[in-house]
Amino acid sequence: GDSVTQMEGPVTLSEEAFLTINCTYTATGYPSLFWYVQYPGEGLQLLLKATKADDKGSNKGFEATYRKETTSFHLEKGSVQVSDSAVYFCALSDPISNFGNEKLTFGTGTRLTIIP
Amino acid sequence: DGGITQSPKYLFRKEGQNVTLSCEQNLNHDAMYWYRQDPGQGLRLIYYSQIVNDFQKGDIAEGYSVSREKKESFPLTVTSAQKNPTAFYLCASSWGQGSHEQYFGPGTRLTVT
Repeated sequence: GDSVTQMEGPVTLSEEAFLTINCTYTATGYPSLFWYVQYPGEGLQLLLKATKADDKGSNKGFEATYRKETTSFHLEKGSVQVSDSAVYFCALSDPISNFGNEKLTFGTGTRLTIIP
Repeated sequence: DGGITQSPKYLFRKEGQNVTLSCEQNLNHDAMYWYRQDPGQGLRLIYYSQIVNDFQKGDIAEGYSVSREKKESFPLTVTSAQKNPTAFYLCASSWGQGSHEQYFGPGTRLTVT
């Protein structure tokens, strides 16, 4: 079945440091890939997405590139801020294994803390 | 403003009682979902519904029930058969086949003692 494996946390960085959170996936078909962010006590917000190979999703300084050859979708940001502290989830939606519907398969989440 | 509302934000129940969590959306989305979040385990799908009056079990449906009588509403009942009901519950919705992106509500934290 489909699965998402993401970097174990927690991750602690200093402000302005470079961020990478690794995400790899296993899927039957050609999935869409997502990064969601969850701030304390809140629901999830879509951060960025990519729907086909070599697409780059970007938002709020975060980027991730859909790499089909390595089945990866690593999240990067060049200079993190304290306000980026949150839990980040990598997810996929595979219409082939889901028979056309849009169920999401999530990774376990990576808690990121940015220190001033 | 369009969005998804879940109420209440915190819910406390005694063991053996059924409890219903509310989820309402005004985004005109066809599909709705319920997830459970436990520390260190990510999100797991409980039930989902692609259209009114139809729903399917997700990966961990045992001990839960849902209904979808209106497009806007997808309440989740946590029954006394659920062995470990204390968790953070998240509702989501999406346009339906093809759009993939899901929009999430703020969540309900259920504590059963």
